[in-house]
Amino acid sequence: EPEVTQTPSHQVTQMGQEVILRCVPISNHLYFYWYRQILGQKVEFLVSFYNNEISEKSEIFDDQFSVERPDGSNFTLKIRSTKLEDSAMYFCASRASGTRTDTQYFGPGTRLTVL
Amino acid sequence: GDSVTQMEGPVTLSEEACLTINCTYTATGYPSLFWYVQYPGEGLQLLLKATKADDKGSNKGFEATYRKETTSFHLEKGSVQVSDSAVYFCALSDGSGGGADGLTFGKGTHLIIQP
Repeated sequence: EPEVTQTPSHQVTQMGQEVILRCVPISNHLYFYWYRQILGQKVEFLVSFYNNEISEKSEIFDDQFSVERPDGSNFTLKIRSTKLEDSAMYFCASRASGTRTDTQYFGPGTRLTVL
Repeated sequence: GDSVTQMEGPVTLSEEACLTINCTYTATGYPSLFWYVQYPGEGLQLLLKATKADDKGSNKGFEATYRKETTSFHLEKGSVQVSDSAVYFCALSDGSGGGADGLTFGKGTHLIIQP
């Protein structure tokens, strides 16, 4: 069964450094998402991406964040200057179509630790 | 805006007990409703979903019925197992963003099943 994959599984970085989290969505999917989950808290939507541009973003997704689909398979989240409060699990998800009944499939997540 | 409220845990039950995890929602559109499960150390997996009123989603012995009149989507299982120990998230997609909208999650309910 096709699945969403994410790399790395765990990323440790120093405050102020840039990190890039990578995702490979399911191959025929058209919509891509990033979410984060701070330890012990709920999963929060960051951004959605369709047709090579951001479709929607939450208030969390400020100027330090950016997303890109550099080729036909990868979908990346860049955090430009990491802060301690960026420490969280980051999940990528993809969805085949835009219908509200369709399911988002999640990757296993990347745990980001900012020191 | 959209919101999901679910009972907070942890919920501790003995094996073979009956389970109900309450979930209620507020949405501007006509949402689809989901239950995701997160096993220890893993990502989010879709457990079941329902896309219109009175639909019942079911999987692995779990069931949830979309109740529009009470804006609820309670998760139930007749006889839980130790392997059901996990965090359960109720979520909705209201489709108002044409498919680009992110899921809105509840805070999650940590379920602990004791042998």
